[in-house]
Amino acid sequence: GAGVSQSPRYKVAKRGQDVALRCDPISGHVSLFWYQQALGQGPEFLTYFQNEAQLDKSGLPSDRFFAERPEGSVSTLKIQRTQQEDSAVYLCASSAQGPNNSPLHFGNGTRLTVT
Amino acid sequence: AQSVSQHNHHVILSEAASLELGCNYSYGGTVNLFWYVQYPGQHLQLLLKYFSGDPLVKGIKGFEAEFIKSKFSFNLRKPSVQWSDTAEYFCAVNGYQKVTFGIGTKLQVIP
Repeated sequence: GAGVSQSPRYKVAKRGQDVALRCDPISGHVSLFWYQQALGQGPEFLTYFQNEAQLDKSGLPSDRFFAERPEGSVSTLKIQRTQQEDSAVYLCASSAQGPNNSPLHFGNGTRLTVT
Repeated sequence: AQSVSQHNHHVILSEAASLELGCNYSYGGTVNLFWYVQYPGQHLQLLLKYFSGDPLVKGIKGFEAEFIKSKFSFNLRKPSVQWSDTAEYFCAVNGYQKVTFGIGTKLQVIP
């Protein structure tokens, strides 16, 4: 079946622009995660949804970052007034149940470059 | 807070050599442990997982890992690597909802 789909694959933004990154999880998956992966680093947790509820947003680096999953399926990660330090690959992952019960399935990521 | 430490950031091996990648975690309670792999140009995918039971876990492509609770370790092993194992390997821990990843180990296998 289809895996996790992320769009766009690549995004170039000028400093100060707003961006929106989309994630389509595997159909029926309850949990959805966003991670940020800088060059040479492991994925860093940003936020976690269970259905439409955002249960943990402790990893969001600033109030310029905002995520939503209004109908418990597709999710959008929005970054306002982008800065150069926001340049990274943004990964979305979903799991069938909670992370305590089932592993994560990752998308290919969106590579964001802020110039 | 939970954390993961991977000891080797870049490993180079010849084909047929044995592999062991170290992983230590920090978390005070019950954990689930994972190894994920990212082949060149592909997305992260699950290699193996430990939730409970037998601490020796077998995964895909001949990989295995052993959970040693007293050492807070979950090292990844493979007796004989192949060129196709060239990839980046990430250890991850889940103590409570959040899955935390290590920095990753880049494995290069030379034919």
